[in-house]
Amino acid sequence: KAGVTQTPRYLIKTRGQQVTLSCSPISGHRSVSWYQQTPGQGLQFLFEYFSETQRNKGNFPGRFSGRQFSNSRSEMNVSTLELGDSALYLCASSLSRGRGTEAFFGQGTRLTVV
Amino acid sequence: AQRVTQPEKLLSVFKGAPVELKCNYSYSGSPELFWYVQYSRQRLQLLLRHISRESIKGFTADLNKGETSFHLKKPFAQEEDSAMYYCALSNSGAGSYQLTFGKGTKLSVIP
Repeated sequence: KAGVTQTPRYLIKTRGQQVTLSCSPISGHRSVSWYQQTPGQGLQFLFEYFSETQRNKGNFPGRFSGRQFSNSRSEMNVSTLELGDSALYLCASSLSRGRGTEAFFGQGTRLTVV
Repeated sequence: AQRVTQPEKLLSVFKGAPVELKCNYSYSGSPELFWYVQYSRQRLQLLLRHISRESIKGFTADLNKGETSFHLKKPFAQEEDSAMYYCALSNSGAGSYQLTFGKGTKLSVIP
């Protein structure tokens, strides 16, 4: 079974631009979460989507947004990029949302803002 | 607010020695704790979860609610255990699914 796929793997953008990252979950998984990973802050929760609805959002500015499509694929968008947005963005999918649910992670998209 | 603390950024042990990776948490509800591992050039993956009370690759972890800890232990370290280990807390009982991670401990097993 194919794992979580994130595209692109690497991106270089200029301050002020916007960017869209894509995540294809494992087939049958309906919950998709996004995390930002930086050396200073570690892994931080961005948001979770389930059945095309955002269920929860982390402590990030409104420049960070996302959506989920009917096939459970998800995109996240960052507008007006800042240097501090440079990070590894990880997507995770899960089959359910109950106790003990395992999250399956993609390999991430490395975003560099210059 | 929920919080996970892993006090050691780096832990070096000799092959065959016991390993203990520390994890402490802060959470007002009934916690769900996990250990995730990332081997070199691989994606982050689940190692074990407290709800299953399982032993994976010789690793065990016991949830101690009194000490709010979920330390990861292995009696005899192997070279292939060298990796980045993350302790995580889930709040899946709150109508959403969110993991709060510690900052991770890099385990280095010396041959």
